Amino acid sequence: ETGVTQTPRHLVMGMTNKKSLKCEQHLGHNAMYWYKQSAKKPLELMFVYNFKEQTENNSVPSRFSPECPNSSHLFLHLHTLQPEDSALYLCASSQVEGGSSYNEQFFGPGTRLTVL
Amino acid sequence: KNQVEQSPQSLIILEGKNCTLQCNYTVSPFSNLRWYKQDTGRGPVSLTIMTFSENTKSNGRYTATLDADTKQSSLHITASQLSDSASYICVVKNSGYALNFGKGTSLLVTP
Repeated sequence: ETGVTQTPRHLVMGMTNKKSLKCEQHLGHNAMYWYKQSAKKPLELMFVYNFKEQTENNSVPSRFSPECPNSSHLFLHLHTLQPEDSALYLCASSQVEGGSSYNEQFFGPGTRLTVL
Repeated sequence: KNQVEQSPQSLIILEGKNCTLQCNYTVSPFSNLRWYKQDTGRGPVSLTIMTFSENTKSNGRYTATLDADTKQSSLHITASQLSDSASYICVVKNSGYALNFGKGTSLLVTP
């Protein structure tokens, strides 16, 4: 295991539902990320939190709403999603330090989301 | 535009054989390059990470090479095993927090 856990592992929801994805990292890292992985496409970065502050939002639709209450937990709140939002949603964490170029990210197992 | 292109898109080999996966990138300025292995239904796991000054790095039966001049990298798998069946993703970092991901090469090792 990588030290990053995600729940639920699978989620099926209708377009009018509201649900949340949860991510927890046990590595003591200070940065956390949400990615979307669709079939035959590269991973797409959605949100970045560094020291609990959102530092990037890659033009993600407002129907996706992130929340980072502390450096170990990250949520992705979902509402009124579309079928094309069906994908694998991956959470990752890393330790970001001044002068370090490595920034190796450790990924969770992902949540397989299906929107009907 | 920063891009990472991987080839082949998919590959089938017999157990015990060797194979090489390719990654070409246009990411600039370059910081580091990583290869990840992603098993079906799992998140990516790092295999190797290389900076500008590193030409080759090994992790067991996996050997990655980097030519920063031609902006090419390869991942060589020796004596393949059934458990090597997975998607292999090339990731290039420039600056900030963002990583540039390739689409991956899907490898199937058959008995």
